[in-house]
Amino acid sequence: GAGVSQSPSNKVTEKGKDVELRCDPISGHTALYWYRQSLGQGLEFLIYFQGNSAPDKSGLPSDRFSAERTGGSVSTLTIQRTQQEDSAVYLCASSLREMSHQPQHFGDGTRLSIL
Amino acid sequence: GQNIDQPTEMTATEGAIVQINCTYQTSGFNGLFWYQQHAGEAPTFLSYNVLDGLEEKGRFSSFLSRSKGYSYLLLKELQMKDSASYLCAVRDLTAAGNKLTFGGGTRVLVKP
Repeated sequence: GAGVSQSPSNKVTEKGKDVELRCDPISGHTALYWYRQSLGQGLEFLIYFQGNSAPDKSGLPSDRFSAERTGGSVSTLTIQRTQQEDSAVYLCASSLREMSHQPQHFGDGTRLSIL
Repeated sequence: GQNIDQPTEMTATEGAIVQINCTYQTSGFNGLFWYQQHAGEAPTFLSYNVLDGLEEKGRFSSFLSRSKGYSYLLLKELQMKDSASYLCAVRDLTAAGNKLTFGGGTRVLVKP
């Protein structure tokens, strides 16, 4: 089906390395969201895109985290100089429009493990 | 900011009913969502409430009281496959865009 696609599904890397996570939203969805979920915890909001712009970056934990979206479609979340506390599942979601009752549809996530 | 509370874990028997409560505090309520998340999988949308009252969808129902800052998700005729985490999420009118704040989730274990 044409759902939200994330890659890679799993990423193991050494502390200090940079990682890039990719999200392909559902075609036609203008809003895109990144969340982080630690083991057994709820979802922590990171950043939100409307089109290619990010009106709300309030959830990014530090300046090591950045994200961009191009062509109103694919988004990448980059973590520089990874730390062990960055280990989590990173979930991407998209919705048809912002500020509506439209639900967010989630991808399967990228499980990031920092050694 | 927002504060969303739901129980950490609940256990119920197959065929029974379970009610998962969610209380919230927000400056500008604009909708509440319930999601189901099986272990190792993505959350999937279950229900949406913005007005007071009960929304029914098959075995699942969701209730909202805005004046009390309270919602519940009711699961009837429980099946083993209903064992999952259930996430309550609140949208704040003052937030930029359709940003949801999630509670910590309620892990439901259905026993035979």
